[in-house]
Amino acid sequence: NAGVMQNPRHLVRRRGQEARLRCSPMKGHSHVYWYRQLPEEGLKFMVYLQKENIIDESGMPKERFSAEFPKEGPSILRIQQVVRGDSAAYFCASSPETGTGANVLTFGAGSRLTVL
Amino acid sequence: SQQGEEDPQALSIQEGENATMNCSYKTSINNLQWYRQNSGRGLVHLILIRSNEREKHSGRLRVTLDTSKKSSSLLITASRAADTASYFCATGYNAGKSTFGDGTTLTVKP
Repeated sequence: NAGVMQNPRHLVRRRGQEARLRCSPMKGHSHVYWYRQLPEEGLKFMVYLQKENIIDESGMPKERFSAEFPKEGPSILRIQQVVRGDSAAYFCASSPETGTGANVLTFGAGSRLTVL
Repeated sequence: SQQGEEDPQALSIQEGENATMNCSYKTSINNLQWYRQNSGRGLVHLILIRSNEREKHSGRLRVTLDTSKKSSSLLITASRAADTASYFCATGYNAGKSTFGDGTTLTVKP
């Protein structure tokens, strides 16, 4: 069981380029969450997805950011026309389908985006 | 407004001492979780407490929840140097997103 796999671990982009971050959830998990973390800060919720559905995107910036979790393949967080303020660690987490009303998250190691 | 605000922001203790961190939140929850993050790594789940529970133990960890005060505490007993990390509380309401605070950075000196 490989856990939550994120890639790339480190990504460097120049302003205006696109960044694509991928996340494969833990085996058997159907829920994926993306969080952003700035240095010395906590995690800020971005988006919550199930297969082929965006459940909650209340933390996603309205422009340039998008996320998907297709029927096959990993979840992808896409940032278009990156700016320096997008530099951060992006964490993906997954959880199983539960009827208990609480989702325990398993986190990946994160993808660190640096925008030059 | 920010859910799950931890205090203190930073805590430094000697090995063997106990460490207590607090978390306050603002809106209704039905569960609260604590996570640990070692420098440069992802978060690791430590313990979950539901809104109908007041206290929970797991090894050297003790978590309390006071829903009337909208607060929780995490106690780590007999701390070790390996406990050095950032600790975050996360609040949730039913299934769905968990909202994290800014964390407490714990340093345990050998």
